[in-house]
Amino acid sequence: DTEVTQTPKHLVMGMTNKKSLKCEQHMGHRAMYWYKQKAKKPPELMFVYSYEKLSINESVPSRFSPECPNSSLLNLHLHALQPEDSALYLCASSQEGGGMDTQYFGPGTRLTVL
Amino acid sequence: RKEVEQDPGPFNVPEGATVAFNCTYSNSASQSFFWYRQDCRKEPKLLMSVYSSGNEDGRFTAQLNRASQYISLLIRDSKLSDSATYLCAVNLAGNMLTFGGGTRLMVKP
Repeated sequence: DTEVTQTPKHLVMGMTNKKSLKCEQHMGHRAMYWYKQKAKKPPELMFVYSYEKLSINESVPSRFSPECPNSSLLNLHLHALQPEDSALYLCASSQEGGGMDTQYFGPGTRLTVL
Repeated sequence: RKEVEQDPGPFNVPEGATVAFNCTYSNSASQSFFWYRQDCRKEPKLLMSVYSSGNEDGRFTAQLNRASQYISLLIRDSKLSDSATYLCAVNLAGNMLTFGGGTRLMVKP
């Protein structure tokens, strides 16, 4: 079972709101990822957690704050977003975060910032 | 030069045709390679990993050419349901997966 779940499926928020995106996997994977995908563009890596520790932050603005409460959960806290942050936010997981890992994606949260 | 490049297409082919996509990457030290399929407004789904020896899964064949730094995907006997965007992905370093821009395939009846 290669299932990664994400909630909510859709989210509309104002620029002053605080919201959170959630991701869960039950494959025993130890690496989890957040990607951002704009329309007609490929996914772009935002954050990588490996063994519940943040290992990569791709110079993401501080209005995006990741959190990994345990090895199967990953959150992305959103605060004071801009309209240009509207995108599909994808979570992925992989076995250990090594160079040969295969990443499996969740269905994504489609975010609209008004 | 982009780290991972693909021809954006679209490739418009009739049902039953054979179609091939290429993807070039810039880092010769890249460790692993993948093809993902993405339908409109959906997440990328793993189609296949790409190995040096090549691999085949039904109508799909993937090849890796390390010397020329490209990977390829061949789809035989195209079906209407193959219409999608095909993303190549390269693990350039550690666990950082970088995607090409995607190639759009449209299979027509």
